[in-house]
Amino acid sequence: RKEVEQDPGPFNVPEGATVAFNCTYSNSASQSFFWYRQDCRKEPKLLMSVYSSGNEDGRFTAQLNRASQYISLLIRDSKLSDSATYLCVVTDTGFQKLVFGTGTRLLVSP
Amino acid sequence: GAGVSQSPRYKVAKRGQDVALRCDPISGHVSLFWYQQALGQGPEFLTYFQNEAQLDKSGLPSDRFFAERPEGSVSTLKIQRTQQEDSAVYLCASSSDRASGNTIYFGEGSWLTVV
Repeated sequence: RKEVEQDPGPFNVPEGATVAFNCTYSNSASQSFFWYRQDCRKEPKLLMSVYSSGNEDGRFTAQLNRASQYISLLIRDSKLSDSATYLCVVTDTGFQKLVFGTGTRLLVSP
Repeated sequence: GAGVSQSPRYKVAKRGQDVALRCDPISGHVSLFWYQQALGQGPEFLTYFQNEAQLDKSGLPSDRFFAERPEGSVSTLKIQRTQQEDSAVYLCASSSDRASGNTIYFGEGSWLTVV
């Protein structure tokens, strides 16, 4: 079993739709949590950090449930430019090695 | 540019050949990471340097993989006697401190295909 599990998708949604991604992690000692975005044939880039209190950045909302070891990302009013792979990431203890999920692919169509 | 630079961007190697992948981190960045990303998968940790010290190499898949950062800046990932399963994108990342995910920067990767 992988340390970070995600539904690989793809999620096909029309422009303007709301889409939610979920992620679970197995290491209860994980310290920090993030969503990264990766465009095709490009490097991963930080989308947003995830906090227990929940946090929002424009159309994006992230949530962390430490008790359930569950992380979510909600994208409202999807744009064509949101099409990408979304990677759930947790950090290990110590020097904070990033542990990635397999990624969830999102395709937004006109 | 000011970002993490990797070379070569693309490499085709014959099975059994040795390859060397180079990473130029952002100037002054203390921490340097190597990740391996197979097709359709997320990046997998290979190794971590703090300055010239290799503090963790637990992710290196076999003794054919070797990484170094002798002067605490440029790093090289070497793969000996390449196998088809080594085909992947090798991502280098750097950070200015004991990396937290929001301060780490990735290069565009070196795409290795072993034929």
